[in-house]
Amino acid sequence: EDQVTQSPEALRLQEGESSSLNCSYTVSGLRGLFWYRQDPGKGPEFLFTLYSAGEEKEKERLKATLTKKESFLHITAPKPEDSATYLCAVEVGKAAGNKLTFGGGTRVLVKP
Amino acid sequence: DSGVTQTPKHLITATGQRVTLRCSPRSGDLSVYWYQQSLDQGLQFLIQYYNGEERAKGNILERFSAQQFPDLHSELNLSSLELGDSALYFCASSLRDRGPAEQFFGPGTRLTVL
Repeated sequence: EDQVTQSPEALRLQEGESSSLNCSYTVSGLRGLFWYRQDPGKGPEFLFTLYSAGEEKEKERLKATLTKKESFLHITAPKPEDSATYLCAVEVGKAAGNKLTFGGGTRVLVKP
Repeated sequence: DSGVTQTPKHLITATGQRVTLRCSPRSGDLSVYWYQQSLDQGLQFLIQYYNGEERAKGNILERFSAQQFPDLHSELNLSSLELGDSALYFCASSLRDRGPAEQFFGPGTRLTVL
């Protein structure tokens, strides 16, 4: 069964304190790995798609990387507005359609 | 704003009742997905439609059904509601049905079953 595990579950950072979030996956035939940001009570907001090991994507203070077993979301010099839950999800090649299997998320709180 | 719209925003109903949630995809997107998010289960895939046809199914209960109409909007019907059905229900849309496909999520419908 496809599994996606995110760690840590929660992260408290001081403004400017860089850190990394981990998403490890056990799947057959990764088609794509996605990162989303979710604010409380809102829908997930798309951040990145990673397709193959070694790929990196950047957006403002966020950088996502991918290996054959895991993905990291690096937050550089975070600001309070980066506080959110970060979700990773995988789309698997053998499955019909495009369903996403999500991890449990990492809740990030950035204090000023 | 993702461009995906969902109505209603909140729904409060009683056990045993039936409700309908509505979703309009982003302009040009042909695929619509439904997800359920609860505190203990996280985000769970329910069902996908592509251009009116069912494309993939997750652990969707038999009491739940969905359809996509010719104008591409979709409805999720939940019947014989139970307390455990209380959750956030999200609709997402994407352009393709052959992946990988970036999915864009709507604001959600919060369902409370009393």
